[in-house]
Amino acid sequence: ILNVEQSPQSLHVQEGDSTNFTCSFPSSNFYALHWYRWETAKSPEALFVMTLNGDEKKKGRISATLNTKEGYSYLYIKGSQPEDSATYLCASAHGSSNTGKLIFGQGTTLQVKP
Amino acid sequence: GAVVSQHPSRVICKSGTSVKIECRSLDFQATTMFWYRQFPKKSLMLMATSNEGSKATYEQGVEKDKFLINHASLTLSTLTVTSAHPEDSSFYICSASRQGRNQPQHFGDGTRLSIL
Repeated sequence: ILNVEQSPQSLHVQEGDSTNFTCSFPSSNFYALHWYRWETAKSPEALFVMTLNGDEKKKGRISATLNTKEGYSYLYIKGSQPEDSATYLCASAHGSSNTGKLIFGQGTTLQVKP
Repeated sequence: GAVVSQHPSRVICKSGTSVKIECRSLDFQATTMFWYRQFPKKSLMLMATSNEGSKATYEQGVEKDKFLINHASLTLSTLTVTSAHPEDSSFYICSASRQGRNQPQHFGDGTRLSIL
């Protein structure tokens, strides 16, 4: 059974702090790694889709890295703001072709205090 | 950006009722859509892959006769929870994506189903 693990489960930081969290996924038959931000009362919003080992992607103050050989991805938020408060989900896709199926982790819930 | 509309957002009904949830892709054609269920404090669990014009592909342990999926057009998939019971109470959410390796999934807002 393929399993995706995220840590920590939750995180409380002060405004202005930088933070990072981890997503571990099976490295076998890897296809793609997705990160989503899920704010309360909204739908999950795509942040990044990464496919290549060593990929680094950036969107404003948020960036992500990917290590497909050891099966992990880090998400970094620089200078956290209250509006960054959300649950961050990662999900991996496996197989030789894109079926679209994703395996989700439980998420890391971030609270940024003003 | 792409938008996926899901409704209803909340349903409260009596045990034995069948409930239909709609998922619409508003600005792109989706040959494949996905239905997830989320249990409290758990991750999104894929229930089934909805394929336009053909039968849905269900994940192991998901009862196909309980959770009927129909994908009659390139923009609409429906999930019907048949003869719902309290244990079917949960949060259900759909998604759709364009074709291609780097394409993200676009999610609906989800449906909170409560069976009394």
